[in-house]
Amino acid sequence: EVQLVESGGGLVQPGGSLRLSCAASGFTVSSNYMSWVRQAPGKGLEWVSVIYSGGSTYYADSVKGRFTISRDNSKNTLYLQMNSLRAEDTAVYYCARGRIVDYGSGSYAYFDYWGQGTLATVSS
Amino acid sequence: SSELTQDPAVSVALGQTVRITCQGDSLRSYYASWYQQKPGQAPVLVIYGKNNRPSGIPDRFSGSSSGNTASLTITGAQAEDEADYYCNSRDSSGDHLRVFGTGTKVTVL
Repeated sequence: EVQLVESGGGLVQPGGSLRLSCAASGFTVSSNYMSWVRQAPGKGLEWVSVIYSGGSTYYADSVKGRFTISRDNSKNTLYLQMNSLRAEDTAVYYCARGRIVDYGSGSYAYFDYWGQGTLATVSS
Repeated sequence: SSELTQDPAVSVALGQTVRITCQGDSLRSYYASWYQQKPGQAPVLVIYGKNNRPSGIPDRFSGSSSGNTASLTITGAQAEDEADYYCNSRDSSGDHLRVFGTGTKVTVL
């Protein structure tokens, strides 16, 4: 059974740092396309970052240069290092497993499994 | 980044049909996926690709696409379908970036 369990959220002051973890079971993180998605209180979903199986990483403009996505293959765990945090980074952060499907004229991706989320609050 | 626009809210009578739309330039080239989110819960995938349902998703959920608009249709809405729904697709500003729609609150009357 595929499971994703996030941890590491909490209260941090503006300008501080947090590292979120997403422990996976039932599949291998390093063989999959993995993303972080966040949701500010009362707001919609916002895509944050992705790491491909090959190790390439990409970020939303809102977090580029401040957040780093990584993984530990030995622990089968995904991470999100968040630095220089701002009040607007306050959100529930979800990790999600992505799938990429290649078809004749292109490809598409989707997120088939999600964790339960961890809340990061940036406030003084 | 590009945008995917959804109507903020729609309502449907129990057992009737509702269509939720998602508009954006990237949808002319890329399929959308759709997610259901109930209060306090993580999103759940309901439709992906041209019109595919994951295991366990009822066949009353279906997807379609035309031009710059992707649609999620619930045929015979049930009380348990009341939730927020989000589309997701590739961000047209970058091959590897993703973007979510603004979300639609579905109320079943």
